[in-house]
Amino acid sequence: GENVGLHLPTLSVQEGDNSIINCAYSNSASDYFIWYKQESGKGPQFIIDIRSNMDKRQGQRVTVLLNKTVKHLSLQIAATQPGDSAVYFCAENPSSGTYKYIFGTGTRLKVLA
Amino acid sequence: DSGVTQTPKHLITATGQRVTLRCSPRSGDLSVYWYQQSLDQGLQFLIQYYNGEERAKGNILERFSAQQFPDLHSELNLSSLELGDSALYFCASSEGGNTEAFFGQGTRLTVV
Repeated sequence: GENVGLHLPTLSVQEGDNSIINCAYSNSASDYFIWYKQESGKGPQFIIDIRSNMDKRQGQRVTVLLNKTVKHLSLQIAATQPGDSAVYFCAENPSSGTYKYIFGTGTRLKVLA
Repeated sequence: DSGVTQTPKHLITATGQRVTLRCSPRSGDLSVYWYQQSLDQGLQFLIQYYNGEERAKGNILERFSAQQFPDLHSELNLSSLELGDSALYFCASSEGGNTEAFFGQGTRLTVV
């Protein structure tokens, strides 16, 4: 599938455990962030977003944490399931005046049964 | 289903040729984004349109161009194709800027 040529960091997690995927973003002026999940052969799928005026946002089984001081974003997945196996990307919008999302390298999540 | 439609799903063409990829955004979305995903470079932002106007540009080659039409669908034109242009090309749409963007399933372009 896609990204097989990339040397993606891989996170292996036991089914039922919690997963934490990290992302370092580049631009201190970035004001909006999105986490995407990409399964093999499919387009990126929106998971959750967060604006720079927040430091935490929760969804269904997912939580995003934003630390602007160190330009770090994390995605926490609770009770990881086999269907969570995919490549996860963070994306940032570099500034409020722009309309583009810059993607990070991605992390491959493997869920072990 | 994200609501973003891309055609064709697959395209095989020869070097030097020109192709057009098409994207229909989600109903109501005014912004359209194009991305290239190669095996060795991840998702690269190419260009973005909002309500028919170009609003942001990434590292898009001069051989590539795009436009967004009055009905908000968008086309990405790739010309003088090279082997290195082989990639997945994704379109995404959003209501505006700084809102969640939803991706289509992509067009897999193979240049031979």
